[in-house]
Amino acid sequence: GAGVSQSPSNKVTEKGKDVELRCDPISGHTALYWYRQSLGQGLEFLIYFQGNSAPDKSGLPSDRFSAERTGGSVSTLTIQRTQQEDSAVYLCASSFQPIKSSYEQYFGPGTRLTVT
Amino acid sequence: AQKITQTQPGMFVQEKEAVTLDCTYDTSDPSYGLFWYKQPSSGEMIFLIYQGSYDQQNATEGRYSLNFQKARKSANLVISASQLGDSAMYFCAMREGGLDSSYKLIFGSGTRLLVRP
Repeated sequence: GAGVSQSPSNKVTEKGKDVELRCDPISGHTALYWYRQSLGQGLEFLIYFQGNSAPDKSGLPSDRFSAERTGGSVSTLTIQRTQQEDSAVYLCASSFQPIKSSYEQYFGPGTRLTVT
Repeated sequence: AQKITQTQPGMFVQEKEAVTLDCTYDTSDPSYGLFWYKQPSSGEMIFLIYQGSYDQQNATEGRYSLNFQKARKSANLVISASQLGDSAMYFCAMREGGLDSSYKLIFGSGTRLLVRP
């Protein structure tokens, strides 16, 4: 079966440009998460979507970052006016509705963003 | 505040031997889950094992076991009979489990394991 897919796999952009990163979760998974992994570091939570509930945006580092999820499926993470410190791997994960803390999250392959 | 600490940036182990990767955590929530993920050089995050805060027994999954010591707030990963393919980054993560929780994962900084032939 298909796993979590992300596109593009790599993105190089100039400082100040906007970028959009896409995530397609596993079919049937209602929860979707975005994380960021800087070089040699652990993952940092960015945002969480669950069904029609208001997203948990508590991890977004600045108002340049936003995300949406259309139709309860595909999600897009947008970074406006990119800065060099935004360079990282952006990982998307999905899971079943998290009514149990044991539900593991399935991760996509990530998008490596490089801001020059 | 929630926190995950992995104090071993790098570890070596001889092939076929066992290795323990350390993880300590801090939370005030009585309901939480602990996860270990493996990240090979290819970059994908692979789920290995889960331990719930109310689980009475230590979790095991094949060659992986979790040494859960709740009073000490530690959740060490034990890999038995190491294989060359076990060389990777290993991340410990925690999720708090309240009903209004987003169940986001809080990750440690990781341990890089290298298995020697």
